[in-house]
Amino acid sequence: DTAVSQTPKYLVTQMGNDKSIKCEQNLGHDTMYWYKQDSKKFLKIMFSYNNKELIINETVPNRFSPKSPDKAHLNLHINSLELGDSAVYFCASSLDRNQPQHFGDGTRLSIL
Amino acid sequence: GENVEQHPSTLSVQEGDSAVIKCTYSDSASNYFPWYKQELGKRPQLIIDIRSNVGEKKDQRIAVTLNKTAKHFSLHITETQPEDSAVYFCAATSYNTDKLIFGTGTRLQVFP
Repeated sequence: DTAVSQTPKYLVTQMGNDKSIKCEQNLGHDTMYWYKQDSKKFLKIMFSYNNKELIINETVPNRFSPKSPDKAHLNLHINSLELGDSAVYFCASSLDRNQPQHFGDGTRLSIL
Repeated sequence: GENVEQHPSTLSVQEGDSAVIKCTYSDSASNYFPWYKQELGKRPQLIIDIRSNVGEKKDQRIAVTLNKTAKHFSLHITETQPEDSAVYFCAATSYNTDKLIFGTGTRLQVFP
């Protein structure tokens, strides 16, 4: 059983489109995260939710909107996609804040 | 804000040799320091972590040391094997910020 699963694995789309990435964890964790890994492999936190409450909201364009319908799910919606949004987006979860984080397999987003 | 510097950016060793990766953090309130291994095209995987109340931790061929005074922590891999080849990330976080700040990564190559 995959602990943190993301869909889709690959996303190729045109500039200006709106897309969503879904994340689900079956570990019973309270905290979930979205990270962006760019072409230079830098990993940067974007958002974090603890028990469905937003606790980290980094300097991210407001075209990015996370949604946590319940503790086990954290989705990421991106409006008006731009070339610079091309990256791998990782979802992660942890038992609680400041605990080991488990990553999903990533979603590779490519903007044409 | 919080910053984590990581050196070297690339490291090549012969199989059987040791490898050491060093990180420095800026936030003196940081209290949790995980290390992640990321193979090509895969997700980051936690390999070892240490908390600020401990100076050293070992798990088979991997060890991490922490010097809180100097704000340094290091990853030591002994008896390296070709399957250790990957990008390694250090990270730091604190209860103050809840954010896991990653270093810039070290690409380790182990030659047979």
